[in-house]
Amino acid sequence: NAGVTQTPKFQVLKTGQSMTLQCAQDMNHNSMYWYRQDPGMGLRLIYYSASEGTTDKGEVPNGYNVSRLNKREFSLRLESAAPSQTSVYFCASRGTGPTNEKLFFGSGTQLSVL
Amino acid sequence: GNSVTQMEGPVTLSEEAFLTINCTYTATGYPSLFWYVQYPGEGLQLLLKATKADDKGSNKGFEATYRKETTSFHLEKGSVQVSDSAVYFCALSQGGTSYGKLTFGQGTILTVHP
Repeated sequence: NAGVTQTPKFQVLKTGQSMTLQCAQDMNHNSMYWYRQDPGMGLRLIYYSASEGTTDKGEVPNGYNVSRLNKREFSLRLESAAPSQTSVYFCASRGTGPTNEKLFFGSGTQLSVL
Repeated sequence: GNSVTQMEGPVTLSEEAFLTINCTYTATGYPSLFWYVQYPGEGLQLLLKATKADDKGSNKGFEATYRKETTSFHLEKGSVQVSDSAVYFCALSQGGTSYGKLTFGQGTILTVHP
């Protein structure tokens, strides 16, 4: 059982380049989330998808787009990367039934924008 | 808006010492409260939770009590182990369909020495 899988694990970009962070979960969860983690600031919600076919902005959506490709996959795209987007990005899915309060996190993508 | 404040870190302890990590929050209504733990190189994992006032969450020897009168959810463990070395995050959500939309504290780094 892989849980939440993120790719890539590390990425270095130049300012202005674009890239897509991939996320997939195999737990049949409905809701998925993208967070960024910055030193001294905890994690902040970028975008989320409450169910397949829907997406909504979180606290810090500027500079990002998302796609809920199907129930399993939720990707995050940086169209024109900026140094301020240097961060660790985490994808998560929310449990259902008795675990509906619990987020299951991937292991993260460390992104550096030069 | 919602906010979570954790005690400043890092925290360094000897094995078998008592641990307290303070967490206070600001939120409307009756949020659900969580502690997540992040081991080196991994994503966050739910450690414990409490969903209403006076609830006590517990797991792996860790405990935290939801205190509405002091808007606090302090994490405690009676005897820490080297394997508890990690980053600990306090978080809240407004519950229901907002369970995955967490507001995190800045995280507290815990290092336990033999």
